[in-house]
Amino acid sequence: EAGVAQSPRYKIIEKRQSVAFWCNPISGHATLYWYQQILGQGPKLLIQFQNNGVVDDSQLPKDRFSAERLKGVDSTLKIQPAKLEDSAVYLCASSFLGGEGNEQFFGPGTRLTVL
Amino acid sequence: RKEVEQDPGPFNVPEGATVAFNCTYSNSASQSFFWYRQDCRKEPKLLMSVYSSGNEDGRFTAQLNRASQYISLLIRDSKLSDSATYLCVVNMGETGFQKLVFGTGTRLLVSP
Repeated sequence: EAGVAQSPRYKIIEKRQSVAFWCNPISGHATLYWYQQILGQGPKLLIQFQNNGVVDDSQLPKDRFSAERLKGVDSTLKIQPAKLEDSAVYLCASSFLGGEGNEQFFGPGTRLTVL
Repeated sequence: RKEVEQDPGPFNVPEGATVAFNCTYSNSASQSFFWYRQDCRKEPKLLMSVYSSGNEDGRFTAQLNRASQYISLLIRDSKLSDSATYLCVVNMGETGFQKLVFGTGTRLLVSP
C-alpha cells in the first residue's frame, strides 16, 4: 500500500516570498493533517481536514498560512509571505477517520528553509 | 507549563542496557496516549499506544499513571537500531476526536 506522498521534499526561499506544499494521503483516508516541526521540537498541528471540510485550524497562522483540500483527497498548504521563523519541516499525515483509535500515518515531510 | 513535557536527553546507553523515558501532560481530561518513534530526518511512526493497565510489546513497555498525569516508556536490552527520538504524544481532542499534541522528544543513542 502506498504511503502519504509529499512534494517537494526540500525548498529554499527568501523571506517575503511565497511557497506551496502538496500532500496526497493514503487512498481512502478521510482525515488529513498538516503539522509544522521546528528543529528540536515535536510536530505541531496546523490544520485538520475531514474530507474537504476543516475540523480544526486553531493553530494555523491565518494571516500568512492557508490550506485547502478541495476534492477531499490531496491538499495544498501555502505560506505567503514567508518569515524566517517559518523554517521547519512540514509534515502531512492521514488517517482513515478522525476519531480516536485511527492511527495517523505521516509522509516524509517538506523541509523549508527561509533565508 | 507545556502541554506535554519530556526530558530532551540525549540518553547515551550501551547495547543491552535498559532505559526509561518519562513524560508528563497537562490536560487531565486526555483519554489516549502514544509513543512515536522518529529517526533522524524521517517522519514520526507509531511505536505503541499506552493503556491504563500498562502494555508490553516485545522489549518495550509503556505505563500510564492518570493520577499523576505521567507516561513512561521502558526499553529493555537496547539495540543499536533503537537509536532514535522518542516522542510522547497525548490526544487532547474532544470526545471522539483526535488532536495529537507531541512532546519535544527524547533522543536515545545506543552505542556498541
